[in-house]
Amino acid sequence: GAGVSQSPRYKVAKRGQDVALRCDPISGHVSLFWYQQALGQGPEFLTYFQNEAQLDKSGLPSDRFFAERPEGSVSTLKIQRTQQEDSAVYLCASSPYNRDSYYGYTFGSGTRLTVV
Amino acid sequence: DQQVKQNSPSLSVQEGRISILNCDYTNSMFDYFLWYKKYPAEGPTFLISISSIKDKNEDGRFTVFLNKSAKHLSLHIVPSQPGDSAVYFCAASEESNFGNEKLTFGTGTRLTIIP
Repeated sequence: GAGVSQSPRYKVAKRGQDVALRCDPISGHVSLFWYQQALGQGPEFLTYFQNEAQLDKSGLPSDRFFAERPEGSVSTLKIQRTQQEDSAVYLCASSPYNRDSYYGYTFGSGTRLTVV
Repeated sequence: DQQVKQNSPSLSVQEGRISILNCDYTNSMFDYFLWYKKYPAEGPTFLISISSIKDKNEDGRFTVFLNKSAKHLSLHIVPSQPGDSAVYFCAASEESNFGNEKLTFGTGTRLTIIP
C-alpha cells in the first residue's frame, strides 16, 4: 500500500483482556518501529525490527508486551492482561534502509487502545 | 527524566507572520534532530532534520536552527499558513542511521495559525 496501515483504529479492552495490534508497513521497508503515545505526551519508543529480527526491545514496559514480525513485513504488537495504564495510541512506523536519502519514518495513523 | 523538552504547549501566530517553535535537550549524546508535524487522528509526518555538524538547515518555508552549546533547537516557519496549524514534535537520536534511529520525542507544541 501507499502508507503504513494499522488496525484496528480503535480498540476497547476490558482490564485483563489480551489484545493484538497489527501494522502493515510500506512494501519493501526494512525497518519497523512501534511507539506508544500517552495522552498529552510525545511518542515513546517500544521496539524496533530490521526485517524479521527484533534488534531493540528496550522500550517495552513489561513482559506483558510482545512484538513480532515473522516474515519481515507485517508486525503484531500483543499486550497480555491489559491494564488501565496501557491506554494510549500505539504508533507503528517504517523506513527504508537507504544510504542515499533520509526522509524520516513514515508513521501509521495509530491504534487508540482504551482499557476499561 | 524528560530528555527532550518543548516548554510551550501551545502557540498562536497570525497568518503570514513567523512561527518559532523551541526545543531543548539534556542528553549530550544526541547528535541528530528532527521535527515532526501531527494532525488530529493521523500519525506524525516528518518535516525537517538537522545533523549536529550543522547549525542550520532550510527547506522551503521551514528552517531548523541548532545551538549545540546551549542544547537548543528551533523551528522557524515563514510565512505561516493556516495549513500549518498542527502539533509539532521535536525528536532526537544519538546517531543518524538512515532511518533506523530510535527517537526520543518531546511532548509537542500545538501551533494555531490565526487567519
